[in-house]
Amino acid sequence: DGGITQSPKYLFRKEGQNVTLSCEQNLNHDAMYWYRQDPGQGLRLIYYSQIVNDFQKGDIAEGYSVSREKKESFPLTVTSAQKNPTAFYLCASRDRVDQPQHFGDGTRLSIL
Amino acid sequence: QQPVQSPQAVILREGEDAVINCSSSKALYSVHWYRQKHGEAPVFLMILLKGGEQKGHEKISASFNEKKQQSSLYLTASQLSYSGTYFCGTERGSGNTGKLIFGQGTTLQVKP
Repeated sequence: DGGITQSPKYLFRKEGQNVTLSCEQNLNHDAMYWYRQDPGQGLRLIYYSQIVNDFQKGDIAEGYSVSREKKESFPLTVTSAQKNPTAFYLCASRDRVDQPQHFGDGTRLSIL
Repeated sequence: QQPVQSPQAVILREGEDAVINCSSSKALYSVHWYRQKHGEAPVFLMILLKGGEQKGHEKISASFNEKKQQSSLYLTASQLSYSGTYFCGTERGSGNTGKLIFGQGTTLQVKP
């Protein structure tokens, strides 16, 4: 079945540590997105990529980094510069601009 | 820039109807509607492109008023399964950014 796979489901970060969240899709979608969701809040865009080897900052990119070396993969690194990383992180992909975004099941990140 | 959703929360009895609104101060290319259950990924409901079309999906339909830059989601004869948080995501301009900005969400609770 085609879809988006995020791993791990739960992740714990020690202070000063960088962690990487994985996002893989087999839908052959060009565009991929990373969102952050805090309790009781909407989704805020961190980074997005419309094609391989290209990505743009979203509204809250500080303290995060991404890469897009392959069409099917869009990993997100939460760096030590992100002082409040505890949140639910969602990855999404989309085929064309008139098509919906498809979401993965999310990664819940907490600080140890 | 974030679209404004209203109401913030609504409680219904099974079989009752509800309307959720999503307003933007900017010209929109499209409006996407999603429903999210607690701890899960958002699930796509429908997408409306500029042109004022109305769409339907079972007992859930939506409209997009391009002049007012407002979309409304109509839930008819609500069922227990309709409970969750509803988000609108808006895309500005000509749609070539692929970038969605989400509202803060409307929590819907359907009681027996």
